[in-house]
Amino acid sequence: EAGVVQSPRYKIIEKKQPVAFWCNPISGHNTLYWYRQNLGQGPELLIRYENEEAVDDSQLPKDRFSAERLKGVDSTLKIQPAELGDSAVYLCASSLEWGAANTGELFFGEGSRLTVL
Amino acid sequence: GQQLNQSPQSMFIQEGEDVSMNCTSSSIFNTWLWYKQDPGEGPVLLIALYKAGELTSNGRLTAQFGITRKDSFLNISASIPSDVGIYFCAGQLRGSQGNLIFGKGTKLSVKP
Repeated sequence: EAGVVQSPRYKIIEKKQPVAFWCNPISGHNTLYWYRQNLGQGPELLIRYENEEAVDDSQLPKDRFSAERLKGVDSTLKIQPAELGDSAVYLCASSLEWGAANTGELFFGEGSRLTVL
Repeated sequence: GQQLNQSPQSMFIQEGEDVSMNCTSSSIFNTWLWYKQDPGEGPVLLIALYKAGELTSNGRLTAQFGITRKDSFLNISASIPSDVGIYFCAGQLRGSQGNLIFGKGTKLSVKP
């Protein structure tokens, strides 16, 4: 069974440029998460989707970050314009829907490492 | 926001030694999970705990859900070089739906 797939693995951009990350979750997982992991820190939630609905985006900096999950499967996270402080690893994860068995067990992709110069 | 206090921050041990790390919080959690992250990879789930007092093993790994529901520990017995990595605790707060809070990680180094 394929795991969570993310692309690109690495991205280097200059500040003020836009960037987008893509995620394909595990088949059958209705819940999708985007986390940001700064160097030496644990992952921090940016946004959580249940199917195509963003049910928690309270930690998403909405002035420059946006996300979508149009058909309830793949998702895209965008930053425009990027700032120096956005350099981090952006992790996508998926899980079974809330209330299902093993709720809380997140499966992560390999991450997209962003460097903003 | 809510915080998990994970300790120690780092450990340097000899191959074959046992390891213990823990997470504490002032908040009550419904679920505790332990993840391992290798360099350049995403975190991988090791153990999931769902009930206070629960003790669960996965090979040489053992984790427990604290009875107060505010803490958890992870033990690794007879460490081997491939145990090297960063271990994260993660918890799901009581009353929250689906969101995990992560600790800052314990970096484990194993000397052959």
